[in-house]
Amino acid sequence: NAGVTQTPKFQVLKTGQSMTLQCAQDMNHNSMYWYRQDPGMGLRLIYYSASEGTTDKGEVPNGYNVSRLNKREFSLRLESAAPSQTSVYFCASSPPGAVYGYTFGSGTRLTVV
Amino acid sequence: GQQLNQSPQSMFIQEGEDVSMNCTSSSIFNTWLWYKQDPGEGPVLLIALYKAGELTSNGRLTAQFGITRKDSFLNISASIPSDVGIYFCAGLNYGGSQGNLIFGKGTKLSVKP
Repeated sequence: NAGVTQTPKFQVLKTGQSMTLQCAQDMNHNSMYWYRQDPGMGLRLIYYSASEGTTDKGEVPNGYNVSRLNKREFSLRLESAAPSQTSVYFCASSPPGAVYGYTFGSGTRLTVV
Repeated sequence: GQQLNQSPQSMFIQEGEDVSMNCTSSSIFNTWLWYKQDPGEGPVLLIALYKAGELTSNGRLTAQFGITRKDSFLNISASIPSDVGIYFCAGLNYGGSQGNLIFGKGTKLSVKP
């Protein structure tokens, strides 16, 4: 089973460029999440989608937009990248209530120069 | 918002030593989860705890759900080099279709052969 698949794995952007991080899950999970991970800061929630057709802001949503394209796919868009958005981005998914926790993808390492 | 205090932030130990780490919160949780993140990968669930006082083992790992429901502990016995990584605790209060995990900032474990 693929689980949660993120693309690309690595990306370098120039300040002001835009890009979309892709995430897809094959576990029929309702809920999907985007996190960023920075040294010493742990995992911080950017946006989440409790179900298809809904999205909500997390702890650090500024500078990002999301789209829940269908049940499988949840994308994260940076409209105008800034050096402060240099980070490792993780997508995760869970069934309703997340009683068994989240399943994470392997991450996208983004550098903005 | 809810926060988890995870300690220690980092540990440098000799192969064969036992490891202890913990997570505390000012709020109670219904579920405690422990994840491990290998270098360059996403977090993977190690142990889930659902009942106050519960003690659960997974190989050399043992985790406990604190009686007060405000803390949890993870022990690793006889550490080996592949135990290297970041360990995250996470607390969950689930209700309805929404289940958002609250993550600690992680304990980075280094093992010296």
